[in-house]
Amino acid sequence: DIQMTQSPSSLSASVGDRVTITCRASQSISTYLNWYQQKPGKAPKLLIYAASSLQSGVPSRFSGSGSGTDFTLTISSLQPEDFATYYCQQSYITPYTFGQGTKLEIK
Amino acid sequence: EVQLLESGGGLVQPGGSLRLSCAASGFTFSNYAMSWVRQAPGKGLEWVSAISGSGGSTNYADSVKGRFTISRDNSKNTLYLQMNSLRGDDTAVYYCAKVVDGYNNFDYWGQGTLVTVSS
Repeated sequence: DIQMTQSPSSLSASVGDRVTITCRASQSISTYLNWYQQKPGKAPKLLIYAASSLQSGVPSRFSGSGSGTDFTLTISSLQPEDFATYYCQQSYITPYTFGQGTKLEIK
Repeated sequence: EVQLLESGGGLVQPGGSLRLSCAASGFTFSNYAMSWVRQAPGKGLEWVSAISGSGGSTNYADSVKGRFTISRDNSKNTLYLQMNSLRGDDTAVYYCAKVVDGYNNFDYWGQGTLVTVSS
């Protein structure tokens, strides 16, 4: 199975900050990498697919990059509604594994 | 508007069985693969199973292989997960999700249904 490792596991930041979360795959997954946002008690929401494509309706302050094994999710200017947990997921091959999550908290 | 509505969760004893359902609307159900993803309390997301649009192809996580069966009824726009030989570590919120063709990501999710395995 492909292992997905996110860093950091948690992060404290302020409104207006630029934040970057990284995700590393245990083997090359091309650009089959997706990012989800999850708020407490809610279902995950797709933010970025195919490593860098913005899902319809997602604000442009979210962006993704990378290919192969190393990927990043960047939020250019944090808004209050962005404080949540973020997961990466590889969709290259089953089992479609997720990273362990990055909890973004208010500083 | 795409809607996915799970049902069937509840409390079940270890070794017991449960069938989850996911009623879909707002899209041509038979055209899309579907998946189940679960989340144990306070933990991360775990992909469980996927099924092709026709139902002819299925995949499972090793943790549920041989115990869970995914299926679909395209005439009823409904996805199912039959769960047998349930264990305590199957306790989780189970989400159904619509799969994007080609990218295999999950663009729409249901609200989830809680399965608790306990005596």
